[in-house]
Amino acid sequence: SQQGEEDPQALSIQEGENATMNCSYKTSINNLQWYRQNSGRGLVHLILIRSNEREKHSGRLRVTLDTSKKSSSLLITASRAADTASYFCATPPPAGGGNKLTFGTGTQLKVEL
Amino acid sequence: DGGITQSPKYLFRKEGQNVTLSCEQNLNHDAMYWYRQDPGQGLRLIYYSQIVNDFQKGDIAEGYSVSREKKESFPLTVTSAQKNPTAFYLCASSIGGTSGMTASTDTQYFGPGTRLTVL
Repeated sequence: SQQGEEDPQALSIQEGENATMNCSYKTSINNLQWYRQNSGRGLVHLILIRSNEREKHSGRLRVTLDTSKKSSSLLITASRAADTASYFCATPPPAGGGNKLTFGTGTQLKVEL
Repeated sequence: DGGITQSPKYLFRKEGQNVTLSCEQNLNHDAMYWYRQDPGQGLRLIYYSQIVNDFQKGDIAEGYSVSREKKESFPLTVTSAQKNPTAFYLCASSIGGTSGMTASTDTQYFGPGTRLTVL
């Protein structure tokens, strides 16, 4: 089963509004990553947050991590039509498990003009 | 230009045929990965390779095979044993080389994908 599960599965908002996506995971992690995928394209890395960080910012992106609840959220502020994409969280295996990531099921974001 | 490429972009295959998807990177990354993506199901790991001449099965390896003879290349063969091969296939690479003592903070770089359709 997937390590990460995103919520909601789909989100439709108006341009200028904020978009919040959530990710829940099952096992202990030492970092969590978020990726973006435009339709029919490869994924692009957005941001990595470590387990000792509670919040991290990158431009209009804000990511939080709550290790006690095993959850993370991605907030996109002042959304634009170009933000329309699918967003995935990804988690690594425990130490010694190598470099592979487990991706969640994704949130499809649609930003309408 | 540094990057990761996949070819072809679209591929059509008749049932019962094997087909090989190409993945090449010039990022000097040790680790490479193959994922399958079906609508609404996110990415599922097929095979991964942490170093040249070595690879491991992922979550859905049945019906697929790979090789890693060169650092920059990680081709995926979809065999006739794969029952439902129609999907979007994504290749990725990362720096890799983890000592194994700590959990990885590798970020992955993805190719543009190959859409395989079985006719």
